[in-house]
Amino acid sequence: AQSVTQPDIHITVSEGASLELRCNYSYGATPYLFWYVQSPGQGLQLLLKYFSGDTLVQGIKGFEAEFKRSQSSFNLRKPSVHWSDAAEYFCAGGSGGYQKVTFGTGTKLQVIP
Amino acid sequence: GAGVSQTPSNKVTEKGKYVELRCDPISGHTALYWYRQSLGQGPEFLIYFQGTGAADDSGLPNDRFFAVRPEGSVSTLKIQRTERGDSAVYLCASSLTGGMLDTEAFFGQGTRLTVV
Repeated sequence: AQSVTQPDIHITVSEGASLELRCNYSYGATPYLFWYVQSPGQGLQLLLKYFSGDTLVQGIKGFEAEFKRSQSSFNLRKPSVHWSDAAEYFCAGGSGGYQKVTFGTGTKLQVIP
Repeated sequence: GAGVSQTPSNKVTEKGKYVELRCDPISGHTALYWYRQSLGQGPEFLIYFQGTGAADDSGLPNDRFFAVRPEGSVSTLKIQRTERGDSAVYLCASSLTGGMLDTEAFFGQGTRLTVV
């Protein structure tokens, strides 16, 4: 089945430290891949999207993600985390012909001083 | 409004009752989505509208669930004979043209449905 998997349910990082959130995908063809963020009381917000082209994608709020076909991964990174980054992060994927995305189960990020 | 608006924000209903959840998309957005997010899970696709018609309703779990978008703007998700397992946050999203693979989708804050 076409899906994305987020192996980490919860991650804690110190403010100012670097961050990497993992996402693995299972799609036959080149997928559309996304990262969304969901903050308390806020709707889901798109951070970035990948579909072909440059495998390193820049997003909003200083986030980036790298598509690695050999590892079936699309990990989200940020060089220096701010307390306001505490939220739940969802990886999502889709494939051509179906205008919908399938979400992973999410990774909750806690940022400590 | 500036964003996707969902009403009510919270709904508590008794098992077996009928409920309607409303979504007001961003003005001019032709694509509209309903997703359901259960506790501790990612959002799960329910249905996708392009204009007035349902382009993909493959995610509706059974015939108790139905959604309409009669004028191509506001959409209503209808759930008959509610069950406790229907308790979740129901999310609506809209995008300008095409679908959410091609154009950014904007999500509302959701309606939290609790069936008691």
